[in-house]
Formats: sequence, structure tokens, C-alpha cells
Amino acid sequence: EADIYQTPRYLVIGTGKKITLECSQTMGHDKMYWYQQDPGMELHLIHYSYGVNSTEKGDLSSESTVSRIRTEHFPLTLESARPSHTSQYLCASSRGGNSPLHFGNGTRLTVT
Amino acid sequence: AQKITQTQPGMFVQEKEAVTLDCTYDTSDPSYGLFWYKQPSSGEMIFLIYQGSYDQQNATEGRYSLNFQKARKSANLVISASQLGDSAMYFCAMRGIISNFGNEKLTFGTGTRLTIIP
Repeated sequence: EADIYQTPRYLVIGTGKKITLECSQTMGHDKMYWYQQDPGMELHLIHYSYGVNSTEKGDLSSESTVSRIRTEHFPLTLESARPSHTSQYLCASSRGGNSPLHFGNGTRLTVT
Repeated sequence: AQKITQTQPGMFVQEKEAVTLDCTYDTSDPSYGLFWYKQPSSGEMIFLIYQGSYDQQNATEGRYSLNFQKARKSANLVISASQLGDSAMYFCAMRGIISNFGNEKLTFGTGTRLTIIP
């Protein structure tokens, strides 16, 4: 019953390609987040947004960029993919306060 | 700044036994929230349980309970009657404030890999 959707689920792409990871939620949440996670490791916040046209960088420096033109949509873009970008990218949304983050299923990116 | 520490990289537990996953935290905020998430091998993050810093009682959700000891800054997850499907990574997380706009983020610990043995 996922209300937050990420596509693609898996992506294998060559170095130098531009990619966009899609994230959409149907819960009307203002707050959305992108986390990066290497296999079996902790999650690191790379971008967040507290509403339309508002985005901020997270704790972990990332070469990716995000946009928030619509409440439900929070895509992440890499202009030129590199092998160091190989990781899992998790999108999440929340009402804030005591409410938990709801996560999508993630995108597993491999850059060859 | 918030910090979450999970000192158990991996645990092996016999099926049907109870298991405690440790989590300690550090924060200077008087108000905070603590969350536990489960991450199966498929990769999705599943919310399990929440404890607020002002909550008087320990949180419980089915087989999950949170042993919250505020003075010791610990928020251990207890799973009763473990099942094979409980095998997964478990992450403790703390809600903190990102910016002056009052947005919140979750800071995650390094996780504990729990394996249930039949």
C-alpha cells in the first residue's frame, strides 16, 4: 500500500550520463527527503525540501541536484554520473513533528 | 548536533526468543523523537515504533516495544517472540531540526543486522 513511489527500482548506467531519479508521493506531505545508503550501511541525508520551491542540501555533500515544483514530486538529478555515485537512493516524505518518515522502495544505482 | 549510536553490528537469535537491540543517543534539544526502522534485504525502510522525549510511557506496537531510559539516553528496541521474518537490518533514528524554518530530519545510526535462527 505504498503511497510514495520511486522509479526506476534498478538502474545501470555508464559514466558521464545524465540521470533523473523520480520520487512521487500521494499523501500531500510538505516535507520530502533524499537519503543515500551504501549496502548495509547507515543512511545519509543529501537533500530535503519543506515545500514547493524550497530545497536545501543535507549532511552529506552530493553532486546531485533536486527540484520541488509540485508538492507530490521531488526528483533527483545527476548531470554526469560517476562510479562513485553507485549507491542506493531512498526518497521519503513526512507530515513532520511526531510523524515518521515514509520511505519509497529506493533506487539502486550502478554507474559503470 | 544529534548523534545515534548502535553498538551491535550483528546479532544471532534463536526463533521464538526475545531480542533487545541497543540504541543510545546524544542531543542538546529538550524535545526530540526516537524512531526505529526495519530494512529487509529488499531494501525498503519500514517504520516500526516511535517514542517522544516527553512521553511518560514506553511505546509499544504489537511485538515491538521501546525501552526508553531518558536519563541514560537510551532507546532500546525489544522484539518479543522473534520470527524468521524478523531477520533484517534495524536502524535507530532521532528527529532533529534542520534549519530555522523548523524542518525536521532523521539522523540514523549505523544499524544492527539481526538474524533469526530456526
